[in-house]
Amino acid sequence: DTAVSQTPKYLVTQMGNDKSIKCEQNLGHDTMYWYKQDSKKFLKIMFSYNNKELIINETVPNRFSPKSPDKAHLNLHINSLELGDSAVYFCASSPVAAGNTIYFGEGSWLTVV
Amino acid sequence: DAKTTQPTSMDCAEGRAANLPCNHSTISGNEYVYWYRQIHSQGPQYIIHGLKNNETNEMASLIITEDRKSSTLILPHATLRDTAVYYCIVFYNQGGKLIFGQGTELSVKP
Repeated sequence: DTAVSQTPKYLVTQMGNDKSIKCEQNLGHDTMYWYKQDSKKFLKIMFSYNNKELIINETVPNRFSPKSPDKAHLNLHINSLELGDSAVYFCASSPVAAGNTIYFGEGSWLTVV
Repeated sequence: DAKTTQPTSMDCAEGRAANLPCNHSTISGNEYVYWYRQIHSQGPQYIIHGLKNNETNEMASLIITEDRKSSTLILPHATLRDTAVYYCIVFYNQGGKLIFGQGTELSVKP
């Protein structure tokens, strides 16, 4: 069983579209994250949720809206997609917000054309 | 923010120990040192972490200097599958913000 799973794995879409990436963790963790890895391979945290509550928002454009229907899910919705949004998006989870191991999903490759 | 400094790249012969250094001279007393790795096209994978003492698990050993200003990740018998980017991260114990640097690209060669 995959601990942190993301769908879709690959997504190609046109500029201006709205798309969502879904994430689910079956580890019983309280905290979930979204990270972005750009073409230069830097991994940057975007958001963190603890028990469905937003605790980290790293100056991400408001076109990006995370949604956590329950603590096992953290979906990422992106409005009005731009070319610069092309990247790999990683979902992750950890037992609590601090001092614990974070487990990552396999990534969602988003290409905006 | 405590930052880490790692060599950009390293090579290691298959079967030999890979020793990956990391400097974190501004680390504070309650911050952990974490190591992750990212194999090409996969998500980052947790390896090991420590606070003050040396740590060992089935994947690797972590040696932290007494002043905690640097550490070394040791892969005792590197295999080709250990080729990856290795990230040394100082983990802030407030807010769970794991910040990745550029890491060390380790190439294990036959």
